[in-house]
Amino acid sequence: SQTIHQWPATLVQPVGSPLSLECTVEGTSNPNLYWYRQAAGRGLQLLFYSVGIGQISSEVPQNLSASRPQDRQFILSSKKLLLSDSGFYLCAWSPNTEAFFGQGTRLTVV
Amino acid sequence: GQQLNQSPQSMFIQEGEDVSMNCTSSSIFNTWLWYKQDPGEGPVLLIALYKAGELTSNGRLTAQFGITRKDSFLNISASIPSDVGIYFCAGQLAASKLTFGTGTRLQVTL
Repeated sequence: SQTIHQWPATLVQPVGSPLSLECTVEGTSNPNLYWYRQAAGRGLQLLFYSVGIGQISSEVPQNLSASRPQDRQFILSSKKLLLSDSGFYLCAWSPNTEAFFGQGTRLTVV
Repeated sequence: GQQLNQSPQSMFIQEGEDVSMNCTSSSIFNTWLWYKQDPGEGPVLLIALYKAGELTSNGRLTAQFGITRKDSFLNISASIPSDVGIYFCAGQLAASKLTFGTGTRLQVTL
């Protein structure tokens, strides 16, 4: 069966520091991969999605970037975090239509 | 990015009551999905709808794909305390891109 792993679960980072969140999927090949952000009490905002290795589509201009160095690995990065980057970050994978989510990373920028 | 409008934004109901929530869009979708999110966790898929007019059940949950392809509703019958959470609809037109609704927060009192 397919599983998705996302880490870390929580992260507190100072303003201006770099960020790297990692997501991996097991039990499938060539999945669509997504990064979403959820502000407190709000809906899910699509940040990036990828349909294959090295293919990244960005939905919202910001100081975040994403990379897909391997088929089942999706990384969310930032060179310098802003206070506004705080939120709940969710990775998801999809075989075609339904999306399945990881447990999320709670990022607090201080 | 585009978001779907969900209503109501929040609901307070008593245990045993039925619940109805809906999702509307200005654009058509080929797939509608409904998710539930517990605090601090990733959303979990409840029901997937693939065809206009389709009515699908999953236990006490029933969802329908609107005939215009621009809306969907979710009903929960005989609510129980573990139904508490945030319910999200999601629509998909083209393969790979999933757009989420703004969420309905459900509270169940005993």
